[in-house]
Amino acid sequence: DTGVSQNPRHKITKRGQNVTFRCDPISEHNRLYWYRQTLGQGPEFLTYFQNEAQLEKSRLLSDRFSAERPKGSFSTLEIQRTEQGDSAMYLCASSSRESVATNEKLFFGSGTQLSVL
Amino acid sequence: AQSVAQPEDQVNVAEGNPLTVKCTYSVSGNPYLFWYVQYPNRGLQFLLKYITGDNLVKGSYGFEAEFNKSQTSFHLKKPSALVSDSALYFCAVRDMRGGFKTIFGAGTRLFVKA
Repeated sequence: DTGVSQNPRHKITKRGQNVTFRCDPISEHNRLYWYRQTLGQGPEFLTYFQNEAQLEKSRLLSDRFSAERPKGSFSTLEIQRTEQGDSAMYLCASSSRESVATNEKLFFGSGTQLSVL
Repeated sequence: AQSVAQPEDQVNVAEGNPLTVKCTYSVSGNPYLFWYVQYPNRGLQFLLKYITGDNLVKGSYGFEAEFNKSQTSFHLKKPSALVSDSALYFCAVRDMRGGFKTIFGAGTRLFVKA
């Protein structure tokens, strides 16, 4: 179990630029989640994948945000035409496909801190 | 819609004293309930969960939480606090009825004084 890996750790970009983040979940986990966290707030749900299928997406996610998980393994989150309000920590989490008792536990990565100037 | 409330931004307790971090929730169906902890410069870590069964659940690092359906609460407790328990604690809920998202509260900062 090598844990959930996220890259890059930090990203500084200028307003209007596109950015892409990568998440590598724990290898045997089929569920993958993206969350966003701003200072003083809890993680805010963005989207959920089961294998390669994107099954749920927050209404808060604008059209500028898109996520993929093409082979059911790693996932990418892209933000187009970034705005200053996109500055946040973007967290990825994964969970097991085993029993209900185990698959509700989320394993989080360390996150990607995005700063939009 | 599901939601979580953590009424205290910060809880201060002396080392060795019992601690309680409060959480109330709202879901339309039956809840899965969780506590996660976030240490400085580290990712969120799972502490404990309630799925079904015994209302008192035990988790990592000596923490426990009690599910109270009538009060829709899931308070986190520890009999004797340690300085190393100082961190940010998040309560979270998922509605069993459907959807896959786990909703998090805003967090409570626990400060344990030596």
